[in-house]
Amino acid sequence: DQQVKQNSPSLSVQEGRISILNCDYTNSMFDYFLWYKKYPAEGPTFLISISSIKDKNEDGRFTVFLNKSAKHLSLHIVPSQPGDSAVYFCAARATSGTYKYIFGTGTRLKVLA
Amino acid sequence: KAGVTQTPRYLIKTRGQQVTLSCSPISGHRSVSWYQQTPGQGLQFLFEYFSETQRNKGNFPGRFSGRQFSNSRSEMNVSTLELGDSALYLCASSAGQEETQYFGPGTRLLVL
Repeated sequence: DQQVKQNSPSLSVQEGRISILNCDYTNSMFDYFLWYKKYPAEGPTFLISISSIKDKNEDGRFTVFLNKSAKHLSLHIVPSQPGDSAVYFCAARATSGTYKYIFGTGTRLKVLA
Repeated sequence: KAGVTQTPRYLIKTRGQQVTLSCSPISGHRSVSWYQQTPGQGLQFLFEYFSETQRNKGNFPGRFSGRQFSNSRSEMNVSTLELGDSALYLCASSAGQEETQYFGPGTRLLVL
């Protein structure tokens, strides 16, 4: 049972445009969400997070939006740069109970110069 | 601060053998989690240790085990290796249970 889903395995975007990566979850107990970026041969790097008490969090070019009623979150990258080309994972966690992170299967973003 | 380190970075084993992977967390971090990454499967949670105690466990067979030492360093062991164990094994550390996890570069294991 995949509790965190990233339904788009890949995405291509022109440099300078907006990249939107999507993530859906099924477990209503999840209340903390994160995005990680992963380059080949490296471990995932933490990008940005959001608590369920918020619906938006910004950090520079990266913004995460959370729609709790739809159990959906998205990562916006504006403007997209070639160095953003990587695999992006969303992760979810419940702050009560087991605390373990559940990851999606990832979306490969390619930013075209 | 130095990041999470994992050794070895690459490993080739044959079926039936066993393997031990090592993870040194960020200084001051007491929680260490292990994940398996295979193509198309994302990161699958293996287990988490905090202060030398296993707190959480994923849905992996008993061939997968781990431990944590008093200095927070952690090891993961896989016995009786199978071809399907070929994967990238990632270790992540955090300061506490509710803190953000930071990942190491991973150990790529190939089972022949």
